[in-house]
Amino acid sequence: ILNVEQSPQSLHVQEGDSTNFTCSFPSSNFYALHWYRWETAKSPEALFVMTLNGDEKKKGRISATLNTKEGYSYLYIKGSQPEDSATYLCALCGGSSASKIIFGSGTRLSIRP
Amino acid sequence: NAGVTQTPKFRVLKTGQSMTLLCAQDMNHEYMYWYRQDPGMGLRLIHYSVGEGTTAKGEVPDGYNVSRLKKQNFLLGLESAAPSQTSVYFCASSLQGADYETQYFGPGTRLLVL
Repeated sequence: ILNVEQSPQSLHVQEGDSTNFTCSFPSSNFYALHWYRWETAKSPEALFVMTLNGDEKKKGRISATLNTKEGYSYLYIKGSQPEDSATYLCALCGGSSASKIIFGSGTRLSIRP
Repeated sequence: NAGVTQTPKFRVLKTGQSMTLLCAQDMNHEYMYWYRQDPGMGLRLIHYSVGEGTTAKGEVPDGYNVSRLKKQNFLLGLESAAPSQTSVYFCASSLQGADYETQYFGPGTRLLVL
């Protein structure tokens, strides 16, 4: 059974501070890892799709790393801004079949001005 | 492009009633998905489709049926709604499979079953 864990569940960060959170997954079942950003009252928006061990992706102040051997991915936000407040979801694609897409329950990030 | 749209946005049903949720995408994507989202849980895949005329079960398919008669539309049906199906339903699409491709999500349908 694929199980995707995200930690922490919630996080409060002062504006301007940098932060990071974790997505953990079983390393034996891996095809791809997705990160999504989900603002309240909107739908999830894609941030990254990562497929290779050691992959590092960047989009503005947000970056992500991937370690498939040990089964984790980190998402980093540099210099947090109020607009970064959202829930960040990771999703593991554990096989070529779409039926093996498992989402974590998310990390809810709140930025204090 | 409208992207992914869902109809309706909100619906209240009585136990035992039936309804169909419509998802439409205008990006010519092959893959389409239906998820449900419940408090404290991640998105859970109900059914998905890898192309027109095909459907397959996801993680939580019981109590739901789907059809993909046209490439751009993916319908989710509840034949006999139960309170346990109270949830927010999201549709998504991707050009190819999620093993490499990003999914694009619709705005969600909030369903309350009394």
